[in-house]
This record gives sequence, C-alpha cells and structure tokens, in this order.
Amino acid sequence: GESVGLHLPTLSVQEGDNSIINCAYSNSASDYFIWYKQESGKGPQFIIDIRSNMDKRQGQRVTVLLNKTVKHLSLQIAATQPGDSAVYFCAENITGGSYIPTFGRGTSLIVHP
Amino acid sequence: DAGVIQSPRHEVTEMGQEVTLRCKPISGHDYLFWYRQTMMRGLELLIYFNNNVPIDDSGMPEDRFSAKMPNASFSTLKIQPSEPRDSAVYFCASSFQHSGANVLTFGAGSRLTVL
Repeated sequence: GESVGLHLPTLSVQEGDNSIINCAYSNSASDYFIWYKQESGKGPQFIIDIRSNMDKRQGQRVTVLLNKTVKHLSLQIAATQPGDSAVYFCAENITGGSYIPTFGRGTSLIVHP
Repeated sequence: DAGVIQSPRHEVTEMGQEVTLRCKPISGHDYLFWYRQTMMRGLELLIYFNNNVPIDDSGMPEDRFSAKMPNASFSTLKIQPSEPRDSAVYFCASSFQHSGANVLTFGAGSRLTVL
C-alpha cells in the first residue's frame, strides 16, 4: 500500500489546551481510517475511526476530521490531559479487499501540566 | 478476553543467538500480524497470517527471520542468528475483518536487545 505520513513528529501542549494531530495519506482509494494511541511501554490502541462517507466523527474528547479533497486527516483532542501524552498513529485502509493497514511514523504528543 | 498476549516482554541476548518471540492472538480473530518498531523506521509490518496461513512476508528483513502459526491460538517469530541491528520492539497484533476492514488489537510488545 501507499505510505501514510505525518506532518509533525512532536507536539507539545499545555494541559487543558486543545491538540490537533495531522496526517496526510496518499492512496485516494483509501476509504477507512483509524487513529491509534500508543502509550509508553504499550502497544498501539484503537481510539477512533472514520469512513470516507463522513467528514467528521466525534468521540469522547476526540474528534476526527477527514478531508478527502486534499487527502488529509486530523485528530483533535479537547482539553488535553497528561494522560493523553502518547504517540498517535493514523492508519489507512481499503475496505472490501485484502488491504492491510499501513502506519506512519507517528506523532508524539507531550502534555505539560 | 485477556487481549493479545506476547512473551517474553523483554529479551537480552548476544549476537549470534537464536531468539524466539511468542504470540497468542485474541480468540476468534482470523488475522495475525507481526510488526517491528524502531525510532528510525517506526512500525514496520514484517508478516501477516490469515486463518493461520502466511499471506505476505515481504516485510521480513532477511532469511534470518522466520514466522510460523501452527494453529489459531499461537504464533512465533524467530530470529537466527540474531544481530545488534535486530534490536527493536516486536509487536504482535490480531484482528477480525469487520465490514471489510481490519481494526488491529496489539499486544504489549517484546523488547529485544541484541548485544
């Protein structure tokens, strides 16, 4: 599959601020996207997903935005907390086939108390 | 379910030694993945299985690496002989393809240090 890239390798924010993590994808056929969170010493964990028939999806304190025109994905975290400190990965998928999700290098989010 | 279980969590070995990493996927999942994570390369897919059959091993670095899945509840990743550049965290993940998409559940990883 085509690669998934991230704009910013590290993002530092103050506790209580909102965080925005960006992701660019290059495969225009991708129609399903997942954000994973990897805390120190753990494996990546699913946070939220979005299908290409949507441009926004909200979870608890997290919102994912999808802009298919420019092939851009973002994860917004509201009222960022120290527990949000982690590496965040986006993964792109093509449903209905044998496509296996590929991951970018990730963005490290550092939340300062 | 206890999730994806990997062992050992940490392994320190000397160059030239054989290393075997183990994984127990989530019961009912039909895909199993082995990834390697380093600071330089991020998460690299090494190999994946579907219904215990290796589907794509193009990510396996070289012949020193091999992976098996003898049954639906167990997989191994073996490195023989190991080299210092193999030092990394190795993750196993499993998934059940739902609505045509794979959402992976990762294990906690096996941190390998080759001296």
